[in-house]
Amino acid sequence: DTAVSQTPKYLVTQMGNDKSIKCEQNLGHDTMYWYKQDSKKFLKIMFSYNNKELIINETVPNRFSPKSPDKAHLNLHINSLELGDSAVYFCASKYRVEETQYFGPGTRLLVL
Amino acid sequence: GEDVEQSLFLSVREGDSSVINCTYTDSSSTYLYWYKQEPGAGLQLLTYIFSNMDMKQDQRLTVLLNKKDKHLSLRIADTQTGDSAIYFCAESEGYSTLTFGKGTMLLVSP
Repeated sequence: DTAVSQTPKYLVTQMGNDKSIKCEQNLGHDTMYWYKQDSKKFLKIMFSYNNKELIINETVPNRFSPKSPDKAHLNLHINSLELGDSAVYFCASKYRVEETQYFGPGTRLLVL
Repeated sequence: GEDVEQSLFLSVREGDSSVINCTYTDSSSTYLYWYKQEPGAGLQLLTYIFSNMDMKQDQRLTVLLNKKDKHLSLRIADTQTGDSAIYFCAESEGYSTLTFGKGTMLLVSP
C-alpha cells in the first residue's frame, strides 16, 4: 500500500512549458506539504496546506501554484518553467497535531 | 531564521559504528528528526526525538540530544553497506514545517 504517492516520477520538459505534479496520500492526514530538493541535495519547504487551506507559502515564485481539491490531494502546477526549476520535488503529509511527516518518493523534474 | 548544520561526508568500514552529528540554532525546536535518503529514492523517517528527551534508542540506532549545546547525533551500531545513504537532520517547532540540514553522505566500505 502506498502511503504518499506522486506522479509522475520523472518529468523532462522544455523551458517555458507549463507542467503539473500530483500528490495523493491515503493516510487520512489533514496537512500536506511540497518540498524542493536542489542539485546539492538541500531540502526546503515550499508550501503547506491544512484541510485544503494554504497555511505556509515560503518565498516561492508565483509561477508555482499549489492546488488542493480535497484533503487527500495536493497538486503543484508550474507555469513558464525555467532551468532553475530542475530539482526533485517531494510531497509529504501528516496529522496537524502529530509530529511525523511521511514523504512521497519524489518527482524528478528536468527542464531543458 | 532557523539553521541546521551537518558535516557533509562520513566514511566507515562495515561493522564499525557511525556517528553523524548535527547542530541547530532554533532554541524553540520541539522535535528533531533523522531522515535517510538512499540513491534515487525518497526520504525515509528513521527516528525522531522530542526536545525534552536526552536519548532515544531504536535497535541499531541511538539518538543523543544535548539541548544546551543544540547538538543532535545519530549513532548507527554495526554499520552495514546497506546503510550507505544521505542522512538528513531536521527540526520543527511545534506543528510547523521541517527545516532540514544539507545532509551527511555516509559511505560504508566492506
